[in-house]
Amino acid sequence: DAMVIQNPRYQVTQFGKPVTLSCSQTLNHNVMYWYQQKSSQAPKLLFHYYDKDFNNEADTPDNFQSRRPNTSFCFLDIRSPGLGDAAMYLCATSRELAGGYNEQFFGPGTRLTVL
Amino acid sequence: GESVGLHLPTLSVQEGDNSIINCAYSNSASDYFIWYKQESGKGPQFIIDIRSNMDKRQGQRVTVLLNKTVKHLSLQIAATQPGDSAVYFCAETPFSGYALNFGKGTSLLVTP
Repeated sequence: DAMVIQNPRYQVTQFGKPVTLSCSQTLNHNVMYWYQQKSSQAPKLLFHYYDKDFNNEADTPDNFQSRRPNTSFCFLDIRSPGLGDAAMYLCATSRELAGGYNEQFFGPGTRLTVL
Repeated sequence: GESVGLHLPTLSVQEGDNSIINCAYSNSASDYFIWYKQESGKGPQFIIDIRSNMDKRQGQRVTVLLNKTVKHLSLQIAATQPGDSAVYFCAETPFSGYALNFGKGTSLLVTP
């Protein structure tokens, strides 16, 4: 089945120690997104890639970076995780950017714990 | 550790009853609306969507109603089942936009 896969499902890191979360998709979608979701809150968009074009949300901290080496894979790098970065990180994809083609398919998420 | 989040509004219904979850939005340019279901420890799952040129759309056991005059969206679930227990988010985006703006979410609890 076509899907969005995230690895690992649970990640524990130490304060200040860089960590990378990965996402892959078999949907062949043009757009890939990274969201941060804290407990009992709505997902918050960090950035997205349209093909190779990277778009950062204005309020996304510099501590968060992303890479998309090819259509299928996208990575979230947290350079120096702080306690406030502990959250669920969701990857999503959509075929196109706008309107009715913006249905976003989410992965299961990676739960990040910062010690 | 993780910061303490807000308490979600909770809707408690009995199995077999109909559920109605409401959502208000503020952007007049919103063109596309989606309801997502999120079970504990999982990513949001698409339920149903509606474009702004419609006021009602039906799926299997679910109906979305859109009232653009008062900027209100609702999700109706017929014959609610225990498996429907989850957090439900509405999301919207303008026609020319890309970012999904999520609402706060409502926790649906189905009791036997």
